Amino acid sequence: GDSVTQTEGQVALSEEDFLTIHCNYSASGYPTLFWYVQYPGEGPQLLFRASRDKEKGSSRGFEATYDKGTTSFHLRKASVQESDSAVYYCALRVNYGNEKITFGAGTKLTIKP
Amino acid sequence: GGIITQTPKFLIGQEGQKLTLKCQQNFNHDTMYWYRQDSGKGLRLIYYSITENDLQKGDLSEGYDASREKKSSFSLTVTSAQKNEMAVFLCASSISGPTGQLYFGEGSKLTVL
Repeated sequence: GDSVTQTEGQVALSEEDFLTIHCNYSASGYPTLFWYVQYPGEGPQLLFRASRDKEKGSSRGFEATYDKGTTSFHLRKASVQESDSAVYYCALRVNYGNEKITFGAGTKLTIKP
Repeated sequence: GGIITQTPKFLIGQEGQKLTLKCQQNFNHDTMYWYRQDSGKGLRLIYYSITENDLQKGDLSEGYDASREKKSSFSLTVTSAQKNEMAVFLCASSISGPTGQLYFGEGSKLTVL
């Protein structure tokens, strides 16, 4: 079946540090990849998505590039802020006819001021 | 814009009790989902529905029933609550198709005494 692996369960950084959260996937079809962010007390919300090989998604200074060769969609940000503290989820969705969406285990990001 | 409304926000039950969570959406989306969120395990799919009166099992459907009697609503029943169980249940909706993003509610927190 389809799966998403996020390597980091928790990440602790200081403001202005560089962030990388790793996401690798396994899918039967040609998936669309997503990053969602969840703040305390809220449901997850879309950060951005990418549907094609080498496509870059970006939002709020975060970015990730869809790499079919390495089956990866790593999340990066050059300079994190305290307000970026949240849980980040990588997810995938495959072809028409299968509405199932698979999430990774999530990465809790804590930014120290 | 639209909104996903989950009720109740907090639910406390007794061991063995049948408990029901409700979800309403006004996006006019075809597809709706129930996910369970446990710390360190990400979002696990319980049930989803691609249209009114349709039900599809997810990876964690055992111990749960679901119902989609109207396009705008999707309910989830815990058939027999487990002692000391604690989890957040998230409802979401989406347009059909591989690029559609999920829109989530704020979650319903279940505590079983």
